Amino acid sequence: QITLKESGPTLVKPTQSLTLTCTVSGFSLRTRAVGVGWIRQPPGKALEWLALIYWDDDKHYSPYLKNRLTITKDTSRNQVVLTLTNMDPVDTATYYCAHSRSINLNPYYFDYWGLGTLVTVSS
Amino acid sequence: SYVLTQPPSVSVPPGKTARITCGGNNIGSKRVQWYQQKPGQAPVLVIYYDSDWPSGIPDRFSGSNSGNTATLTISRVEAGDEADYYCQVWDSDSDHPHVIFGGGTKLTVL
Repeated sequence: QITLKESGPTLVKPTQSLTLTCTVSGFSLRTRAVGVGWIRQPPGKALEWLALIYWDDDKHYSPYLKNRLTITKDTSRNQVVLTLTNMDPVDTATYYCAHSRSINLNPYYFDYWGLGTLVTVSS
Repeated sequence: SYVLTQPPSVSVPPGKTARITCGGNNIGSKRVQWYQQKPGQAPVLVIYYDSDWPSGIPDRFSGSNSGNTATLTISRVEAGDEADYYCQVWDSDSDHPHVIFGGGTKLTVL
């Protein structure tokens, strides 16, 4: 059974960098047509996609945050790491990681989600 | 950039049919996903590729997509269906393909 779990700091100061780890189980990060994405949700607001890393190590980023985001994976540790630099109070949100898959070369979708982790940006 | 437009809220009595729309320019040419999110919980995929069901999702949930509107239809609505619903597509027309979510629709079961 596929599970994902986010971990990282719950509080960061403005201008600091945020590093979040998604630890996965029930699948391999090397499986063809599989990826792991990060999505965030500010309190009371809509979902916002951040980044996706694919089985072949290709990556896509939100064009709105591209200059601040880095996504990497460690297949041996079954982990995907997201780094967001220069944090601001508007980055306060619940951050989710999600398993993503593609069928027959169609676009990737998110079929399993972690519980999310709330990150607050405040001095 | 590509924008998905959802009504902020939809209300239906139990046992009736709820229809939640997701508008976008020529969205019929894209593959649409729908996610259900209950308060304090992570989103759950309820429809992928316009009209396919993940395992475990009841067939009361169905999807369609044509022209400039995709629609999530929930038949025989139950109190447990009360949640926020988000549509999602890929914007692959730009130089940098990226995921787009709609603004979400709050479904209230009267």
